[in-house]
Amino acid sequence: GESVGLHLPTLSVQEGDNSIINCAYSNSASDYFIWYKQESGKGPQFIIDIRSNMDKRQGQRVTVLLNKTVKHLSLQIAATQPGDSAVYFCAALDNYGQNFVFGPGTRLSVLP
Amino acid sequence: ETGVTQTPRHLVMGMTNKKSLKCEQHLGHNAMYWYKQSAKKPLELMFVYNFKEQTENNSVPSRFSPECPNSSHLFLHLHTLQPEDSALYLCASSSKGGSDIQYFGAGTRLSVL
Repeated sequence: GESVGLHLPTLSVQEGDNSIINCAYSNSASDYFIWYKQESGKGPQFIIDIRSNMDKRQGQRVTVLLNKTVKHLSLQIAATQPGDSAVYFCAALDNYGQNFVFGPGTRLSVLP
Repeated sequence: ETGVTQTPRHLVMGMTNKKSLKCEQHLGHNAMYWYKQSAKKPLELMFVYNFKEQTENNSVPSRFSPECPNSSHLFLHLHTLQPEDSALYLCASSSKGGSDIQYFGAGTRLSVL
C-alpha cells in the first residue's frame, strides 16, 4: 500500500539555526503534499502545501522542496524559534486523489 | 482557534460503556473526517463524510459508529471498546472532500480501561 515516511523521528536544533525535516513518499502519482505542525495538546495545524507542478514553495520562514524524481520532500524552517518545537507531519494525496496519507512525524526540539 | 471544536477533550471509559465524541466546525466546510492518532504511528483515517454522506469507512470495527446529522456536526459513537482503542481521536473538516486542506480540532484523548 501507499506509505509516507520520515527519515528521522526526532530532531534537535539550536535556536536561531535552520531546521530541515525530510519526508519520503511511495506513490509516484501523488500530486499534492501538505506539511502540518502539531504542538502538544493540539491538533495538526496547516503550515504549507505544494503541488507536483512545483519544486519549491516559500512561506513565512518556511520553505518546502519537492523532488519528484526520488519521491522526497523537505520542510525548511529558517531561524528556528522555541515556538517551532512541535511534531511535523507530511501528508501526500493518495492514488485516487481522495484522501491524504500521513507520515509518522518528526519531533523538533529547539535548544536554547 | 482552528474553527473545529471537539468535545470532550478527555474521556475515560470502561469496556462496557457507551459514549459519544462530538465535533463541530464553524468554517462552512462540506467534508468532515475522523482520524485515530496512536503513539508513534501515522494518523489513521477512519471515516469521511461529504455533504453528510459517508464516503469512506476505512475498515473500522463496528464498535465505532459515526453520525453526521449536518455538514457542521460529526459524532463518533463508541461502545464495547477495547484497551487498544485508547488513542487521540481527531476530527477535521475541509471545504470539499479529500483533495483539500484539512483543518483539525484539538482531539479527544480517550482511555479505555
